Amino acid sequence: GAGVSQSPRYKVAKRGQDVALRCDPISGHVSLFWYQQALGQGPEFLTYFQNEAQLDKSGLPSDRFFAERPEGSVSTLKIQRTQQEDSAVYLCASSPDPGHNNEQFFGPGTRLTVL
Amino acid sequence: KNQVEQSPQSLIILEGKNCTLQCNYTVSPFSNLRWYKQDTGRGPVSLTIMTFSENTKSNGRYTATLDADTKQSSLHITASQLSDSASYICVVSGGGGFKTIFGAGTRLFVKA
Repeated sequence: GAGVSQSPRYKVAKRGQDVALRCDPISGHVSLFWYQQALGQGPEFLTYFQNEAQLDKSGLPSDRFFAERPEGSVSTLKIQRTQQEDSAVYLCASSPDPGHNNEQFFGPGTRLTVL
Repeated sequence: KNQVEQSPQSLIILEGKNCTLQCNYTVSPFSNLRWYKQDTGRGPVSLTIMTFSENTKSNGRYTATLDADTKQSSLHITASQLSDSASYICVVSGGGGFKTIFGAGTRLFVKA
């Protein structure tokens, strides 16, 4: 596709439910990032993949958050036992080059609401 | 602590007017600074990217400046249009595998 796509665009979950958010990066992009964006704030880093390797997961807020990119393309962010504080927009970005310092291309985000 | 601070938090201007958004950072070491535009309900879109040696870069009606000595950047929007209404986010990256730090953004409203 032409850009980064994410699905679903909106997700409503009951507290305690597990959710899975999908990111399809731009084809051939080496780097993939997940960010969490609270209302009125800038994105905050969650985790970074270089191809299939998860090189940095220091931003994941708890062990309820898990991300994978098994074949180095599509990535899934899973949140177990969701809590109300998990409500946010989850952004995925990809970059053609390795590392954090290059231009990143963002998807439209998944807005998660936990009731 | 590595931080990126943006001002003002929000801004209302009339269509056709110019405006300037500010970004101050304490990130070190410094690799590059980017400005993104984020429309409501969309992901951020890159406007400009500047490295240490660059002090100005333009993209249409958007002009970014960088003073690496004072660690300040600005984004100037000329002849604003209604479609410029969005959040503008300043992003700073450091070298050596350092993570990218995002500012909280400036919310710009352009009114007719």
